[in-house]
Amino acid sequence: DVKVTQSSRYLVKRTGEKVFLECVQDMDHENMFWYRQDPGLGLRLIYFSYDVKMKEKGDIPEGYSVSREKKERFSLILESASTNQTSMYLCASSTRTQKTDTQYFGPGTRLTVL
Amino acid sequence: GENVEQHPSTLSVQEGDSAVIKCTYSDSASNYFPWYKQELGKGPQLIIDIRSNVGEKKDQRIAVTLNKTAKHFSLHITETQPEDSAVYFCAASITGNQFYFGTGTSLTVIP
Repeated sequence: DVKVTQSSRYLVKRTGEKVFLECVQDMDHENMFWYRQDPGLGLRLIYFSYDVKMKEKGDIPEGYSVSREKKERFSLILESASTNQTSMYLCASSTRTQKTDTQYFGPGTRLTVL
Repeated sequence: GENVEQHPSTLSVQEGDSAVIKCTYSDSASNYFPWYKQELGKGPQLIIDIRSNVGEKKDQRIAVTLNKTAKHFSLHITETQPEDSAVYFCAASITGNQFYFGTGTSLTVIP
């Protein structure tokens, strides 16, 4: 079974802090994604990566950056956290080598910025 | 870009009844349509998917239909059970790697 893990289930930070959210997948997937999930808005793509050291902006990249130094790990960085970044953050991975395009999601990190 | 709309936002059904959730998409180039189920405190999990070369797909109590002409697809759950209660998301994908999600449907199955 594919496993996507996220470093924290719950996180509370203060405005202005630098925040790191880590995601690790164990299936050698090429593609990794970061979404945020807000009530009534569904899942919105922040950044994604097709390969190590590659990154692409999604629909809402402002205020975020990412890092992918190793294939299995994709980090989301909030350089200076703000209250409007309080949200559920979901990481996902997928592979292009299989017939299916399925994205596998981690359990999510609920971030609160005070 | 692609725009996916999902209805209804909430749905309550009696145990044993059927539930239907509908999604529309805007980009006719979309060719992959997965459905995800998200239980409380967990990440979304794929439950069924369909590609644009297929009109219908069934897996036990779950089925998905796709109408490419009208650009809409639907999730059908028959003989609903309390454990079907969750939030369901539809999605559409053009490249197979960037997904566009609907806003979710909260399904409650009343015992």
